[in-house]
Parts: sequence; C-alpha cells; structure tokens
Amino acid sequence: DGGITQSPKYLFRKEGQNVTLSCEQNLNHDAMYWYRQDPGQGLRLIYYSQIVNDFQKGDIAEGYSVSREKKESFPLTVTSAQKNPTAFYLCASSPTGGFQGRSYEQYFGPGTRLTVT
Amino acid sequence: QQPVQSPQAVILREGEDAVINCSSSKALYSVHWYRQKHGEAPVFLMILLKGGEQKGHDKISASFNEKKQQSSLYLTASQLSYSGTYFCGTERRGSTLGRLYFGRGTQLTVWP
Repeated sequence: DGGITQSPKYLFRKEGQNVTLSCEQNLNHDAMYWYRQDPGQGLRLIYYSQIVNDFQKGDIAEGYSVSREKKESFPLTVTSAQKNPTAFYLCASSPTGGFQGRSYEQYFGPGTRLTVT
Repeated sequence: QQPVQSPQAVILREGEDAVINCSSSKALYSVHWYRQKHGEAPVFLMILLKGGEQKGHDKISASFNEKKQQSSLYLTASQLSYSGTYFCGTERRGSTLGRLYFGRGTQLTVWP
C-alpha cells in the first residue's frame, strides 16, 4: 500500500540534544512538507521541498534543519537551538508543488509526538 | 499570515447543520479543507480552485468566493463521524504553488 510513514510515533529527548524525525513516502510524490502542530495553533510550515536536493524555509524554520537527498525521504532534525521543541510533527507530500490551473491535495503521515524535558 | 477560521468551536446534535468559515487577507489561488481526528493525521476533504466554485461530497460541501478571499464549509445533517477539527489551508496568488497556510482550526463536536 502506498503512503507516508513517520517514525517513531512518540519520541522523548533531553534538552540540548539534537533529534531527527523520519519521513518516508512511496507515493512517488515530488513535493514534501514538514508541519508543526501545537494546541490551538493549527499547522505551521517548517520546511518544504518541491524537488530532490532543494528545499525552502517555511514560517518557523529557526532551530530546524532538513535534507532531501532522495525523492522518497525528507528527514527533519530538531536542533538544540529550537527553544520550544515539544510538539506534534506532521510530514506531508503531494504530487507536485503545483502549477497554474491545478492544485493538489497533501497526504499526511501519522505524525511524531516529540517531548523534550 | 494565517487565514482566520470561525467559529473556533461548534457543538451539534446529530442531524443538525453547521457552517465553518475561512477568511484570508491575501489574494487566493485555492482553498483546501481537511479534517483531523484527535491524535491522527489530517484527512483531505476537498479543494476549491476557481472563484465562486462549489464542491460537495456526500453531505459536506464548500464554496469559495475569490473576490472576498473567503471560503465556507457546509456540513448538513451532521453525523457522529463528522466530529473532529476542521482546517482550511490557503494557497496564495503570487506565492509558491503547493505551499499552504493553515488556519487554527474549528473543533466540531457532534452528540447523539
């Protein structure tokens, strides 16, 4: 079955440690996205990538880093510079970033709940 | 920067109707609607692309007024399964296509 996988589902880390969240898709989608979700805040875009080896910052990129070396993988690293890393992290993908005349739905993974103490 | 959703929360009895609004201060290319159950991933409902477009699926439909930069989601004869948080995601004109700005969500609770 095609889909997006995120691992692990729950992650606990000590303050000051970097942590990498995994996101893999086998939908052959070009575009991938990372969102952060906090209660009452909706989904806020951290980074997105429309093609391999290229990515752009979203609204809240500070303290995060990404890579896109393969089409199917878009890992997110939460660095120690992120002041409030505890949150629910969602990865999504879509067939493309879009072009004139079309818009594509985003498919979401199950999410990783990160707790930093 | 986020679109504004209203109301923040709605409580309904099974069979009642609800309307959720999404308003943006920016010119829009499209509006997406998603529903999220607690602790789960958001699930796609529909995309509205053209001004004035209306789409529907089963008893959930939506409209998009491009001139007013507004969209509304209509849930008729609500069912228990409609409970969840509804998000609108807006695609802005002049911005990177595919990049969505999400509202803060509207929490819908349907009681039997």
